Amino acid sequence: EIVLTQSPGTLSLSPGDRATLSCRASQVVNSNYLTWYQQKPGQAPRLLIYGASRRATGIPDRFSGSGSATDFTLTISRLEPEDFAVYYCQQYGRLPRTFGQGTKVEIK
Amino acid sequence: QVQLQESGPRLVKPSGTLSLTCRVSGDSVSGSYWWIWVRQSPGKGLEWIGEIHHSGSTNYNPSLKSRVTISVDKAQNQFSLKVTSVTAADTAVYFCAREPTNDYGRTDSWGQGTLVTVSS
Repeated sequence: EIVLTQSPGTLSLSPGDRATLSCRASQVVNSNYLTWYQQKPGQAPRLLIYGASRRATGIPDRFSGSGSATDFTLTISRLEPEDFAVYYCQQYGRLPRTFGQGTKVEIK
Repeated sequence: QVQLQESGPRLVKPSGTLSLTCRVSGDSVSGSYWWIWVRQSPGKGLEWIGEIHHSGSTNYNPSLKSRVTISVDKAQNQFSLKVTSVTAADTAVYFCAREPTNDYGRTDSWGQGTLVTVSS
């Protein structure tokens, strides 16, 4: 199975900062089938990005996804207070679908 | 607006069977979707359990495959998850989700999740 490694484990930033989250795959992700989710405590994951760079419906344009093959990035251009959460990447190009271990974006 | 709601026993004994149902409202389980189960152990990350296509085709995580069954009940407009021979390692929040077959990867509808504890 494809192992996804997210870095850093924790990102300590201030509102208004730019956040750059990395997701590296152990094998090429077919067709760049990679999603990014945001999760807050006690809530279900919220889809942000799919197909590596396609923003889901209703997601603000400060969230953007990029990358291909084995290296992918989620960028939050200017952090809003509601953006402090845990972010997961997931690949769906090869079964089983697998998730990264998550990056926590916390308030500095 | 589709809504998904998980339900089922919150406490299961070791070696027993975990059974959950995801009730779908605002759409039909017969529609062109993948119906998905994901779980999250307390304080841990997310794990994909498996999925069922509206045609009945299924895919399971090999780590669980021999113990997992996902099925659809069109009459009740819901889909279900069964995990047999459970242990404490199966204690988790279980989420159901939906993904359109014509927009692969757009898993944008999720249930709120339900915590299932395996304990005697």
